[in-house]
Amino acid sequence: SAVISQKPSRDICQRGTSLTIQCQVDSQVTMMFWYRQQPGQSLTLIATANQGSEATYESGFVIDKFPISRPNLTFSTLTVSNMSPEDSSIYLCSVQVTNTIYFGEGSWLTVV
Amino acid sequence: GQQVMQIPQYQHVQEGEDFTTYCNSSTTLSNIQWYKQRPGGHPVFLIQLVKSGEVKKQKRLTFQFGEAKKNSSLHITATQTTDVGTYFCAGGPNAGKSTFGDGTTLTVKP
Repeated sequence: SAVISQKPSRDICQRGTSLTIQCQVDSQVTMMFWYRQQPGQSLTLIATANQGSEATYESGFVIDKFPISRPNLTFSTLTVSNMSPEDSSIYLCSVQVTNTIYFGEGSWLTVV
Repeated sequence: GQQVMQIPQYQHVQEGEDFTTYCNSSTTLSNIQWYKQRPGGHPVFLIQLVKSGEVKKQKRLTFQFGEAKKNSSLHITATQTTDVGTYFCAGGPNAGKSTFGDGTTLTVKP
């Protein structure tokens, strides 16, 4: 199993600012995934964070807007840069351990 | 790109009734996962199916993966109020990197 801790759990952010979300896993994992869930919507994959290499971004997401770090096999950060109200979402990290996917509890961001 | 469609979007049932949600992909999937998300919570992994025609059961939940590996279903027998939430299917090249369906939100009237 895996336990994922995400920080912050919630935040209210000013337009134009940036916020970094942290994801800590209690075991070593090769890949970590960052998802966004806009209000009332499904989950959309932002990027895959690989240790020791650049993150791989999905279509519609760019590194300048969502820089990701992966300094080791248990930790990753996602920064939401230059935020606008459209960035108000839940941001979730997830990992795969054997055949099970685990999600963090999410970081609920509101941009005002 | 890959699209995963899920129906119905909403389902309201009386407690004790059965419930089914269906998932269809525009492309063949290597695997499909199902998740449950309670209101205000995060997605919780239920199961992963990988084999064509696979059927798996978890108590009152039955999961099926189609023969062509392009569709799947989740069936709940005799729903309970604890079953409320949104059920998502997701599929992709690997389980972690998945395309999610839009989800089916289940409400259960006691």
